[in-house]
Parts: sequence; C-alpha cells; structure tokens
Amino acid sequence: GNSVTQMEGPVTLSEEAFLTINCTYTATGYPSLFWYVQYPGEGLQLLLKATKADDKGSNKGFEATYRKETTSFHLEKGSVQVSDSAVYFCALSEKDGNNRLAFGKGNQVVVIP
Amino acid sequence: ETGVTQTPRHLVMGMTNKKSLKCEQHLGHNAMYWYKQSAKKPLELMFVYSLEERVENNSVPSRFSPECPNSSHLFLHLHTLQPEDSALYLCASSHLPSGAGGEAFFGQGTRLTVV
Repeated sequence: GNSVTQMEGPVTLSEEAFLTINCTYTATGYPSLFWYVQYPGEGLQLLLKATKADDKGSNKGFEATYRKETTSFHLEKGSVQVSDSAVYFCALSEKDGNNRLAFGKGNQVVVIP
Repeated sequence: ETGVTQTPRHLVMGMTNKKSLKCEQHLGHNAMYWYKQSAKKPLELMFVYSLEERVENNSVPSRFSPECPNSSHLFLHLHTLQPEDSALYLCASSHLPSGAGGEAFFGQGTRLTVV
C-alpha cells in the first residue's frame, strides 16, 4: 500500500536558519506529492505540490522536488521566520484513486527569535 | 464565504449524547472526505464521498455515521462515542477525476472532546 515517512521528532531552529524536513514515500503507481502546513488551532493548508518526477513545488520560500529515483520529496526553506512555526505534513495521493491522501506523521517546527 | 467551512469549531459531548458535525465547501468540488487527527497518530481517512455517494469507509465504527446530501455539504453524525474518539475531525474536498492535481482542501476542523 501507499505510505509516507517523515523524519522523527520536532525541529527547533533559530530565525534565518536553513530548514530541511525529510520525506520519503512508498507507492504502487505514480502519485502526486504534497506538503501541508498546520498552524496552531487550525486545519491543514496546502503549502506546495508536485505531480510528476523532477517537478519542483514552491510557495512562500519553501521548495520541494519530486525525486522518483530516491522516492523522496524533502521540504526546504533557506531562511525561516518565527511565523513559520507550525506542523508540516508530507502526503501523497494516487492519481487514479479518489484523491485519498496518505500522510506522514508530521514534524513540529519551532523557530526561535 | 470561500473554501471549506466546518462547524462547530469545538464540541464537548457525553458518551450518551448525539451530535453532528457539519462541513460545507464553496469550491465547486465533487468529492468530500472526513479525516481524524489524534494526538501522536498520523491523520486517518475515515470516509470518502464522490458525487454524493460513499465510496470508501475505512473500517470506521458504526457510532460514526456520515451523510452527504449534496456535493457541497457533508455531515458526521455522532452517537454513543467513547473517550478515545476525542480528536480533531477534519473535512476536506477535492475535484475528481484528479487530472494533474489531486490536492484536497481542508476545513479548520472540529475539536471533539468526549467526556
């Protein structure tokens, strides 16, 4: 079946630091890949997506590249701000399915001023 | 109003109560979903509706009963819940077939506490 694995544990870093959150996936077909962000007390917001191999999704300074050879979709941001503190979820959906999403466990990111 | 709206935002209910969660989408989508987010567990897909027909039920206990009267509205009827059902319940919508996208858009969730 489909699954998404995110690196374990929260991420704490200082403002303007470089952020990387690792995500790898297992899928039977050719999924679309997503990063969602959840701010405290809120639902999930789509941050970026990529629908085929080598696509790069980007939004608000965040980027992730669909790497089919390593089945990865790592999230990066060059200079984080306090307002980026949130929980980040990697997810996939099979294109031929009902758009059901398989999520990773999420990573809490805390940015310290 | 735009996007996906869920009401109520917070709900506290006893184990013998009956309550309903409501979701409304203003995106013109034709598929709607209920997800459950519990502490320290990945988000779990509960139900999928496509064109108002339930197409997936992921082994959810019968004390959760979904209803989709039209493509814009989705309900989750709750009855005789257990404390372990306390969680954030998220509604989402998307467009099928997925084409080049496949993303779902989420509401802000209902924080449910069963006492």
